[in-house]
Amino acid sequence: AQSVSQHNHHVILSEAASLELGCNYSYGGTVNLFWYVQYPGQHLQLLLKYFSGDPLVKGIKGFEAEFIKSKFSFNLRKPSVQWSDTAEYFCAGPQAAGNKLTFGGGTRVLVKP
Amino acid sequence: EPEVTQTPSHQVTQMGQEVILRCVPISNHLYFYWYRQILGQKVEFLVSFYNNEISEKSEIFDDQFSVERPDGSNFTLKIRSTKLEDSAMYFCASSGSGGAHEQYFGPGTRLTVT
Repeated sequence: AQSVSQHNHHVILSEAASLELGCNYSYGGTVNLFWYVQYPGQHLQLLLKYFSGDPLVKGIKGFEAEFIKSKFSFNLRKPSVQWSDTAEYFCAGPQAAGNKLTFGGGTRVLVKP
Repeated sequence: EPEVTQTPSHQVTQMGQEVILRCVPISNHLYFYWYRQILGQKVEFLVSFYNNEISEKSEIFDDQFSVERPDGSNFTLKIRSTKLEDSAMYFCASSGSGGAHEQYFGPGTRLTVT
């Protein structure tokens, strides 16, 4: 069964700092990976997704993620964060045999103005 | 942009009572899901639904849970006899097709069981 793990539970940084959130998965088959964001009081929104092809995926709001198969990783990055990036970020992937999403534990990011 | 909606946003109920959480998926989507997030824990899959039947369910989705698509637009989750541990945020999601396609999430219903 696929599992997804996020190692950072809380990240605090200042505006203009660079952000990298770790995500690791365990699955031997076709990998489809997603990053979702949940802003305070709002619902889960898709930031970006990887299905195949170019391992560097660009998403909305200046975020990108790199799929590294040899490391079983799909880390999220943003070169310069803003206060409005304060949110909880979730890495997720579907099971190959079905359509459900398996979520990582989430990382709460606080950007100080 | 079309979105998934959920009602109510917050439901408080007493232990042992039945609750129905309602969702309106995006209109041309075919796959529907329920997830829940207990405070401080991961978002967990409950059930997926396609072609008017459950396609997959988790261990959490026991006999006290049921889902229904009573008409062409609503998708409901019923909990027959709520327990304290059912307190969580419940998210509905829908997708246009199965497999590797993004799921669109609703804003969630916060269920508090007292």
